[in-house]
Amino acid sequence: DTAVSQTPKYLVTQMGNDKSIKCEQNLGHDTMYWYKQDSKKFLKIMFSYNNKELIINETVPNRFSPKSPDKAHLNLHINSLELGDSAVYFCASSQGFAGGETQYFGPGTRLLVL
Amino acid sequence: GQNIDQPTEMTATEGAIVQINCTYQTSGFNGLFWYQQHAGEAPTFLSYNVLDGLEEKGRFSSFLSRSKGYSYLLLKELQMKDSASYLCAATDSNYQLIWGAGTKLIIKP
Repeated sequence: DTAVSQTPKYLVTQMGNDKSIKCEQNLGHDTMYWYKQDSKKFLKIMFSYNNKELIINETVPNRFSPKSPDKAHLNLHINSLELGDSAVYFCASSQGFAGGETQYFGPGTRLLVL
Repeated sequence: GQNIDQPTEMTATEGAIVQINCTYQTSGFNGLFWYQQHAGEAPTFLSYNVLDGLEEKGRFSSFLSRSKGYSYLLLKELQMKDSASYLCAATDSNYQLIWGAGTKLIIKP
């Protein structure tokens, strides 16, 4: 059984479009994250939710809006896509957000904006 | 500012030992993680150190020195499947993970 799943795995779209990426975890974890990994392989935290509440909101354009309908799901909606949004987006989850909590990653969504 | 430094790329021979170093500067510190990421895949957890010293787990060991802001990942008896990127990440005082760019390890026969 997949622990952290993301859909879609690949997303190719035009500039200016709006798209969503979905994430679900079946680990019973309280905390979920969205990361962006660019071509230089840096993993940058975008958002983190704990029990459906936003706890980390890094400097991310407000075109990016996360939504957590319940603690097993954290979706990411992106408005007015730009070329620079092309990257791999990883969802992750952990039991909590205190130190020492291992994060489990989804398979990633490869976004290409043309 | 907060910063993680690790070498960009390393090359080693199958069967050998390699040590990947990581230095960190964070506002507060609550432990250090190592993750492995194969090309095109998600990062997977390898180790977590919060106290000084060496943690051994099979062929992989991780070391931490809090006073020096330094960690290393030691891989023994290298196998071709160990070719991957190794990501160092430190937890700051807000329990947020600060990630390094990763070290791409190339294993040659």
